[in-house]
Amino acid sequence: DTGVSQNPRHKITKRGQNVTFRCDPISEHNRLYWYRQTLGQGPEFLTYFQNEAQLEKSRLLSDRFSAERPKGSFSTLEIQRTEQGDSAMYLCASSLESSGTPYEQYFGPGTRLTVT
Amino acid sequence: QKEVEQDPGPLSVPEGAIVSLNCTYSNSAFQYFMWYRQYSRKGPELLMYTYSSGNKEDGRFTAQVDKSSKYISLFIRDSQPSDSATYLCANCYSSNDYKLSFGAGTTVTVRA
Repeated sequence: DTGVSQNPRHKITKRGQNVTFRCDPISEHNRLYWYRQTLGQGPEFLTYFQNEAQLEKSRLLSDRFSAERPKGSFSTLEIQRTEQGDSAMYLCASSLESSGTPYEQYFGPGTRLTVT
Repeated sequence: QKEVEQDPGPLSVPEGAIVSLNCTYSNSAFQYFMWYRQYSRKGPELLMYTYSSGNKEDGRFTAQVDKSSKYISLFIRDSQPSDSATYLCANCYSSNDYKLSFGAGTTVTVRA
């Protein structure tokens, strides 16, 4: 199965530590998205890449968050100086620009972050 | 006010029942309407999408959009235990839009 993969699946960290998550999109997909989902809520958009260019960042993405997509392949999301409020599921999704249906996003299983 | 409101449920129905799920939205600029299904510990997967008002049917699933009342619905006929999941409605503004606005999701349990 060549779906979207995310690592790690779970991360427990202490407040103040830095964490980094990785997302590997479907290989031919040139668009990549990061969302955050808290318990009982739907995913909230964080940021979007087209190839290697980060084209939009949500106001939810504070200065402690940074995302990269070197060479337009995998992406990383780093959170510096984690806070308890960062505890959530971080979802990555990808889509194909030429499909004409950008809303048809394929999600990975997510990385669940717990900040203690 | 959130852009997309969804009754969080939970909803529990017997196998074979019709499941009815609803969302309302506030921004009339939304053009595309999607339903995603999310199983426990998994990412959401696209179930159906519709453009503008009207009905769309896919097997046991029917999506309805009423843009005049800003109301979207999903019906699941002959529900099965494997339909037990959280159902998320989502909207976006145009075919070039990539930023999905999700509802909170409704958790459905289909009892065997």
